[in-house]
Amino acid sequence: KAGVTQTPRYLIKTRGQQVTLSCSPISGHRSVSWYQQTPGQGLQFLFEYFSETQRNKGNFPGRFSGRQFSNSRSEMNVSTLELGDSALYLCASSLSSLGTEAFFGQGTRLTVV
Amino acid sequence: DQQVKQNSPSLSVQEGRISILNCDYTNSMFDYFLWYKKYPAEGPTFLISISSIKDKNEDGRFTVFLNKSAKHLSLHIVPSQPGDSAVYFCAASARRNAGNMLTFGGGTRLMVKP
Repeated sequence: KAGVTQTPRYLIKTRGQQVTLSCSPISGHRSVSWYQQTPGQGLQFLFEYFSETQRNKGNFPGRFSGRQFSNSRSEMNVSTLELGDSALYLCASSLSSLGTEAFFGQGTRLTVV
Repeated sequence: DQQVKQNSPSLSVQEGRISILNCDYTNSMFDYFLWYKKYPAEGPTFLISISSIKDKNEDGRFTVFLNKSAKHLSLHIVPSQPGDSAVYFCAASARRNAGNMLTFGGGTRLMVKP
């Protein structure tokens, strides 16, 4: 069974640009969550999608947005990039929305210059 | 306000001995707890979880203990192996309120010496 797939693995963007990251969950999993990992703040929850609906949202500015498609694949978008957005962005998939084990992808390393 | 804390940033143990990683939480709404292992530049790997209705869960060399009154959980690895060297994160969720939203601790770096 394939795991969680995130693309691209690495990305370099310039301040002010926007970026879209992609996540394909484990087959059959309908919940996708996104996390940001930085050395200073650790792992922080961004948002969760289930059945194409955003169910939970972390404490991030509106520049961070996401969506989920009917096949459960999810995208995360960051607009007007700032240097502080440089981080490892992780996607996790879960079977349901009821709080089950979350399985993570390899992450996308975003560097903003 | 850190709701999940791992107070030991690092831990060093000898191969074959027991590793004990600790985690404290403050939010009494948390009812599900997980441990993850992470290598640099990779995603966390799920190890073991425990529901608040239990006080112990075992899976091979990994055992998680939950003390709800103390708001404390621990991960025991027995016996420790060099391949266990990684950063370990505990995470918590309030399933009734927030489904799959995980709050992570800051991590503990475990070094297992041969």
